[in-house]
Amino acid sequence: DAGVTQSPTHLIKTRGQQVTLRCSPKSGHDTVSWYQQALGQGPQFIFQYYEEEERQRGNFPDRFSGHQFPNYSSELNVNALLLGDSALYLCASSLGLAGAYNEQFFGPGTRLTVL
Amino acid sequence: AQSVTQLGSHVSVSEGALVLLRCNYSSSVPPYLFWYVQYPNQGLQLLLKYTTGATLVKGINGFEAEFKKSETSFHLTKPSAHMSDAAEYFCAVSDNNRGQNFVFGPGTRLSVLP
Repeated sequence: DAGVTQSPTHLIKTRGQQVTLRCSPKSGHDTVSWYQQALGQGPQFIFQYYEEEERQRGNFPDRFSGHQFPNYSSELNVNALLLGDSALYLCASSLGLAGAYNEQFFGPGTRLTVL
Repeated sequence: AQSVTQLGSHVSVSEGALVLLRCNYSSSVPPYLFWYVQYPNQGLQLLLKYTTGATLVKGINGFEAEFKKSETSFHLTKPSAHMSDAAEYFCAVSDNNRGQNFVFGPGTRLSVLP
């Protein structure tokens, strides 16, 4: 049973560029959440997708956008990259909206470096 | 707004010693509380969670945590540390069970000394 997978593992971009990160949820899961984890900090919630719609969003600018496909996989897009966007981006999946009773399972993350 | 503080960004214990990682939260409603562990180059793994009911919660790998409402705390303990417990530990709070924001603390790095 495959867990949550993310690609690529590492990515280097320059300021102003755009980036797309990808996530495949754990088998049987239909909900994907994205988190940003800056170095030395805890993960910060970006948004959550369910039924191909953004359901909740954290305090992130519109430069951060996402998409969920019919097979439940998801993409995170970041436009006009800033140095401060350098972080580990984590994807988590769950069956239904993640919460106290629907455990979310995390992928290993994509390390984004912005130069 | 919810928030989580974790006292001590780095904790070192000897193998076999008690592990105590501290977590305090703020929430305007009864919280749901979680502890996650992150090993190097891996995603987060749920150790345990408090939803309702019994305030002492047992998790995987011998860890447990106690919800103390009066102290707004949810400290993580393990009676005897193993070398394999060395990792980053995150406390998190959610104020509902409908998929709203999880708020994570800044994390505590646990080192286990031989």
